[in-house]
Amino acid sequence: QTVVTQEPSFSVSPGGTVTLTCGLSSGSVSTNSYPSWYQQTPGQAPRTLIYNTDTRSSGVPDRFSGSILGNKAALTITGAQADDESDYYCLLYMGSGISVFGTGTKVTVL
Amino acid sequence: EVQLLESGGGLVQPGGSLRLSCAAYGFTFSKYGMSWVRQAPGKGLEYVSRITGSGGSTYYADSVKGRFTISRDNSKNTLYLQMNSLRAEDTALYYCAKRGGTTHYCDYWGQGTLVTVSS
Repeated sequence: QTVVTQEPSFSVSPGGTVTLTCGLSSGSVSTNSYPSWYQQTPGQAPRTLIYNTDTRSSGVPDRFSGSILGNKAALTITGAQADDESDYYCLLYMGSGISVFGTGTKVTVL
Repeated sequence: EVQLLESGGGLVQPGGSLRLSCAAYGFTFSKYGMSWVRQAPGKGLEYVSRITGSGGSTYYADSVKGRFTISRDNSKNTLYLQMNSLRAEDTALYYCAKRGGTTHYCDYWGQGTLVTVSS
């Protein structure tokens, strides 16, 4: 069974830049994986940030950007702010109607 | 404004059944696929199931295949998840999510309903 892997945690300074990645235990992520990214703070439902690799969802600040880096999907936060401190999840389409979430990355801003 | 309101969660014994509902507002329900996503306490998100707008096609994670059934009633703008043979590891907050257009992501989320499987 393919696992979608993310870094467990990242720390970034206010105003700094951090890039989170989303990979496959077997194979490469491409645009055909339709990568999407979600932000979740404790006690809240997920919020959609990015879909179709690099399209920002409505109302999402442009400091969030998505891309493919090598064989992984990536979410970059440029100019991190205190309220970016959250858990971040990627979602990949595996084909045959099945999608799988990544393991999640906890981002700390300090 | 899109709203998704889940209900039906609660405490159930192992081996028991529960049916979750998700009432949808603010969009043409029948035009969009819908999904169920769950999150066990302190854990990450898990994609459970999805259904096409017409209800003609359904998909399940291996962890629930054969035990859970997703369905929808487009006349009532409501999504369902019938959960049978429940196990302790099914304990989670269950979110209903609207799929974004014709592609593979979720654009709107409900607030979730909690399912606890315990004796």
